[in-house]
Amino acid sequence: QKEVEQNSGPLSVPEGAIASLNCTYSDRGSQSFFWYRQYSGKSPELIMFIYSNGDKEDGRFTAQLNKASQYVSLLIRDSQPSDSATYLCAVKTAGSARQLTFGSGTQLTVLP
Amino acid sequence: NAGVTQTPKFQVLKTGQSMTLQCAQDMNHNSMYWYRQDPGMGLRLIYYSASEGTTDKGEVPNGYNVSRLNKREFSLRLESAAPSQTSVYFCASVGGGLYEQFFGPGTRLTVL
Repeated sequence: QKEVEQNSGPLSVPEGAIASLNCTYSDRGSQSFFWYRQYSGKSPELIMFIYSNGDKEDGRFTAQLNKASQYVSLLIRDSQPSDSATYLCAVKTAGSARQLTFGSGTQLTVLP
Repeated sequence: NAGVTQTPKFQVLKTGQSMTLQCAQDMNHNSMYWYRQDPGMGLRLIYYSASEGTTDKGEVPNGYNVSRLNKREFSLRLESAAPSQTSVYFCASVGGGLYEQFFGPGTRLTVL
């Protein structure tokens, strides 16, 4: 079992809809959770991080963390074509110093 | 402030050739990382350096060596390139009290 799992997609949503991206992790001691966005041919860029259970909102983005169920999700409200990218979930597992473990990513397409 | 820079951007090698990928950061970060990214497999850690003078293996270190030349620079060397090393290579760094990783633009390597 991979440590960090994401649905590879592709996930397609119409413009203006809510896109929901999910990630599960296997290490119960995981402490920090990150969402990166990666446009085709570009490097990953951080869009959200969350450390505590619950929701964290930043503009159109909301990260949700449920440590009991070992999942973290990213909601994108009012999706725009410019949100079309691959979204990578990353987890800092317990005892991993400053290492992150990445999921394989979910490809999102927002249709105009 | 250039952030994380990588050279070269593109490289084509023949099987058995050697090369060094260069990475530098100007954010005074202590920790630096080398990843490879293959289609459908997310980012896999090759080597990392928690601080100047230290290096450790990641998930996929075979066929690679690294040097942490100083606090700014972290190089990745392929001694005898193989087609299986065809990939996109990203360097990243992290510093301070957070675990956010900043990525360089990547090196696209093809081994024939």
